[in-house]
Amino acid sequence: AQKVTQAQTEISVVEKEDVTLDCVYETRDTTYYLFWYKQPPSGELVFLIRRNSFDEQNEISGRYSWNFQKSTSSFNFTITASQVVDSAVYFCALSGNTGGFKTIFGAGTRLFVKA
Amino acid sequence: EADIYQTPRYLVIGTGKKITLECSQTMGHDKMYWYQQDPGMELHLIHYSYGVNSTEKGDLSSESTVSRIRTEHFPLTLESARPSHTSQYLCASSGRGGHQETQYFGPGTRLLVL
Repeated sequence: AQKVTQAQTEISVVEKEDVTLDCVYETRDTTYYLFWYKQPPSGELVFLIRRNSFDEQNEISGRYSWNFQKSTSSFNFTITASQVVDSAVYFCALSGNTGGFKTIFGAGTRLFVKA
Repeated sequence: EADIYQTPRYLVIGTGKKITLECSQTMGHDKMYWYQQDPGMELHLIHYSYGVNSTEKGDLSSESTVSRIRTEHFPLTLESARPSHTSQYLCASSGRGGHQETQYFGPGTRLLVL
């Protein structure tokens, strides 16, 4: 069975603080993909990043960075120097070859960034 | 990146009415999905389609139905709306090129059934 756990339900930080959102996954698939999505108050899910199981390189995009570690089955997301516009719900997701690559979403982490 | 559209964005309707939520995508994706979500909460897959004339029920039981007659169009219908159907409905698509597994989402339809 596949599972995505986002243990942090809500996080509150002050602007300019760094914040890390945790994501732990379970899968028996050898080929799988991990994703992060952002859902601002407008409601749309915005795709942020996709990593495949064969690529453990960390990735940085501006203030966003992602740390993928197969040894701990984690795919954590860090926002550096957070801004009020980062306030949103963030979802981690997993898609594997078992089950035809249907995507399993975590429960989401709500991030509040205060000015 | 996919262009995916949902209409209406907001809908307030009385109990017992029939409604159809529209979803269209212009990227030629073969896979399309419907999720039900209370704002900011977990996403629940209610329907998906891997191609024309193919539809499957998702993990969450839903009284809605879907059809896939054209690749770009995946409407969701509720024959008789009830207050328990009040939620946000998100449509997504995936399945072309090197990032076939990445789902791209529409803006959502917020449904309120009185």
